[in-house]
Amino acid sequence: EAQVTQNPRYLITVTGKKLTVTCSQNMNHEYMSWYRQDPGLGLRQIYYSMNVEVTDKGDVPEGYKVSRKEKRNFPLILESPSPNQTSLYFCASSLQGNYEQYFGPGTRLTVT
Amino acid sequence: AQKITQTQPGMFVQEKEAVTLDCTYDTSDQSYGLFWYKQPSSGEMIFLIYQGSYDEQNATEGRYSLNFQKARKSANLVISASQLGDSAMYFCAMRPYTGANSKLTFGKGITLSVRP
Repeated sequence: EAQVTQNPRYLITVTGKKLTVTCSQNMNHEYMSWYRQDPGLGLRQIYYSMNVEVTDKGDVPEGYKVSRKEKRNFPLILESPSPNQTSLYFCASSLQGNYEQYFGPGTRLTVT
Repeated sequence: AQKITQTQPGMFVQEKEAVTLDCTYDTSDQSYGLFWYKQPSSGEMIFLIYQGSYDEQNATEGRYSLNFQKARKSANLVISASQLGDSAMYFCAMRPYTGANSKLTFGKGITLSVRP
């Protein structure tokens, strides 16, 4: 089954404790992206990747890092999480130039 | 830069009736795509329908249709024969087909409640 998976689905952590949210897709997509969703703001792009070893900032990259060492994986790293990073995070992927983006199930992160 | 505007407050519709969810957009790109996503209370983002800026006909997908008016820069979603399972938040989004980033720009969403 074609899908985007994210882990963990739910995470409660404390300020400053490094964490990684994994994202994996099995569709051989070149393009992958991370979004965060906050009430009243819709979804905003954090980082994106055009292909392996090619990443760039989206609209709200501060406090996040990403890497793309393999085509299928695009982890989101929070080196020192803060409460303002409490949010619902989505990973998405698509073929280059393809109109449809496939979304993962979301990761609900709470930073206390 | 792209901007999506969804200004309707929470929408209510009676089961089996049709409902229109409004979306206007702003872009300087000539080539772009418009999308609608559904987000139920479980949280996942479900792709509903797509309209390309050069498509002359309005897109349809089952009970969903997109009323695309390019000159007005609007892309309203019409849901026919509403069902209780349509209760969800709906997001309008767009992406340009120029540039390297296939970023989707989302509106703030509209909450739809279907009454039995």
